[in-house]
Amino acid sequence: ETGVTQTPRHLVMGMTNKKSLKCEQHLGHNAMYWYKQSAKKPLELMFVYSLEERVENNSVPSRFSPECPNSSHLFLHLHTLQPEDSALYLCASSPLAGEWTGELFFGEGSRLTVL
Amino acid sequence: EDQVTQSPEALRLQEGESSSLNCSYTVSGLRGLFWYRQDPGKGPEFLFTLYSAGEEKEKERLKATLTKKESFLHITAPKPEDSATYLCAVRLVNYGQNFVFGPGTRLSVLP
Repeated sequence: ETGVTQTPRHLVMGMTNKKSLKCEQHLGHNAMYWYKQSAKKPLELMFVYSLEERVENNSVPSRFSPECPNSSHLFLHLHTLQPEDSALYLCASSPLAGEWTGELFFGEGSRLTVL
Repeated sequence: EDQVTQSPEALRLQEGESSSLNCSYTVSGLRGLFWYRQDPGKGPEFLFTLYSAGEEKEKERLKATLTKKESFLHITAPKPEDSATYLCAVRLVNYGQNFVFGPGTRLSVLP
């Protein structure tokens, strides 16, 4: 149990579907992140929510839409995806100050397959 | 461009055979270097943070070191349970929540 819970763990969707990934953190952190991990590629930062401010990687296609209703919950809304979007989507959280030494706390990921 | 590379891509060791993994970085400003362990089908798990050249951290059979351009993760007398992918990441000065990850080294320790 890492304190960061992602659902669903596995998702298969067609290119015309709309689905959402959910992340919840129980660590009292105030920053949350979405990362994409494709085979043999480094983790790629997609979005960060930090104290209600959103920072995004400009290379992320608009078919990925994040939502952060509060500091404990993060969503990634998916629509009209492409097969190359198949990957492991990782949610992470962190504090922003105090005793934080900079590490990220990751969930176990949502494995997405786009057919 | 900020970049992190790791070598080797994959490493096979016999149980008890010590070795080192390398992480090299080219970044505009370093605010910390991190090592993570990732088991198949799971998220990365934090191991170490290093901030300045010459710093060392240890945990069980693992020891991480940092120079101005690279970091090493030394594995002493590894066991099969050390098999995992080891990720290196750097935190950038220009934006505190931006971490650049390396592609990882996949370690297999054979009994």
